Amino acid sequence: DAKTTQPPSMDCAEGRAANLPCNHSTISGNEYVYWYRQIHSQGPQYIIHGLKNNETNEMASLIITEDRKSSTLILPHATLRDTAVYYCIALSLMNRDDKIIFGKGTRLHILP
Amino acid sequence: ETGVTQTPRHLVMGMTNKKSLKCEQHLGHNAMYWYKQSAKKPLELMFVYNFKEQTENNSVPSRFSPECPNSSHLFLHLHTLQPEDSALYLCASSQDWGVFNQPQHFGDGTRLSIL
Repeated sequence: DAKTTQPPSMDCAEGRAANLPCNHSTISGNEYVYWYRQIHSQGPQYIIHGLKNNETNEMASLIITEDRKSSTLILPHATLRDTAVYYCIALSLMNRDDKIIFGKGTRLHILP
Repeated sequence: ETGVTQTPRHLVMGMTNKKSLKCEQHLGHNAMYWYKQSAKKPLELMFVYNFKEQTENNSVPSRFSPECPNSSHLFLHLHTLQPEDSALYLCASSQDWGVFNQPQHFGDGTRLSIL
């Protein structure tokens, strides 16, 4: 499965959009891009996933570049409760042995 | 509220004790998972159950014994653990196993400390 790289930390002002980048330059055509986050003392929380097209749900938007080598998670109006570690993962559609492997992620600090 | 409930949230036990972790999902999912999350290691998949049948055991020591009586409940029985087993144990579920356009939903974990 493709490796992903993310910045170790980011700051964002409360109420502004938080844009979290992820590079996955070795992603293959059958790998989805998934985003999870983990708030302190809680389990990982699914946010969004996509294959080729941009996706939006009630939590966030996912923008995937046309070559699929990178993506951006957008939290449109960040709140203090969005402070968490955000993980970007590439998972194969076809490989049943593919596993969720969290890297170090991006620690997002929302500033009041 | 993720729909996946784990109990207890915290557990302290000695190396000779026997205890069990419990996970219950209210999502109608068919697949359930146990993960270990340590401070210095990435998330580690331990066991996978699909329709109550174990489909994966990632070389987990026998001191960890899973049990899945039905698709909604998953247990992890612990016996004679070692200090290095101290970690956050996470349960997750997904609609089906091995279909990765379906996300996994996690519980909040059991923080286990071995004395």
